[in-house]
Amino acid sequence: AQSVAQPEDQVNVAEGNPLTVKCTYSVSGNPYLFWYVQYPNRGLQFLLKYITGDNLVKGSYGFEAEFNKSQTSFHLKKPSALVSDSALYFCAVRDPYGNNRLAFGKGNQVVVIP
Amino acid sequence: EAQVTQNPRYLITVTGKKLTVTCSQNMNHEYMSWYRQDPGLGLRQIYYSMNVEVTDKGDVPEGYKVSRKEKRNFPLILESPSPNQTSLYFCASSPHEEGAYEQYFGPGTRLTVT
Repeated sequence: AQSVAQPEDQVNVAEGNPLTVKCTYSVSGNPYLFWYVQYPNRGLQFLLKYITGDNLVKGSYGFEAEFNKSQTSFHLKKPSALVSDSALYFCAVRDPYGNNRLAFGKGNQVVVIP
Repeated sequence: EAQVTQNPRYLITVTGKKLTVTCSQNMNHEYMSWYRQDPGLGLRQIYYSMNVEVTDKGDVPEGYKVSRKEKRNFPLILESPSPNQTSLYFCASSPHEEGAYEQYFGPGTRLTVT
């Protein structure tokens, strides 16, 4: 079965510094990968996805993610973090066999320090 | 506005008292799903539906029921709630088109069973 791992519970970064949130995946077949963000007391918001094509995917709010097939990784990045980026970030991989089920990682709390 | 709505947003109930959490989407999506979110576990799928009258179990279906009589609605039913079903619940929907796999989430329902 497909799965993702987000190895860090919390990522602390100073405002203005680069932000990286790590994700590795395991799936048979072509990986369909997603990043979502959850602000306090809100639902999950879609940030970006990798289906096929360029390994660097650009998404909402200045975020991008780099797909690396050899390392089975899909790290989320932002060149310059904002305090408003403080939130819970989830990586997810889609079931490749048509269920459309998303398998989520446990989430990373990002804290951007002013 | 395209959205997924859930009601109620907050619910406190007692063990054994049947309850229903409603979910509705106005995007004409074929696919709908229910997830529960628990700290340290990410989101886990409870049930999903590929279309009207087509539903199937996800990863944690025990203690839950669903129905899909109309395309827009996908209620989650707890026939006899127990304290281990205390959680944050999310409904999601997505189109069933090649490449358009991102799911759109409702705002969540926080359920407490005492």
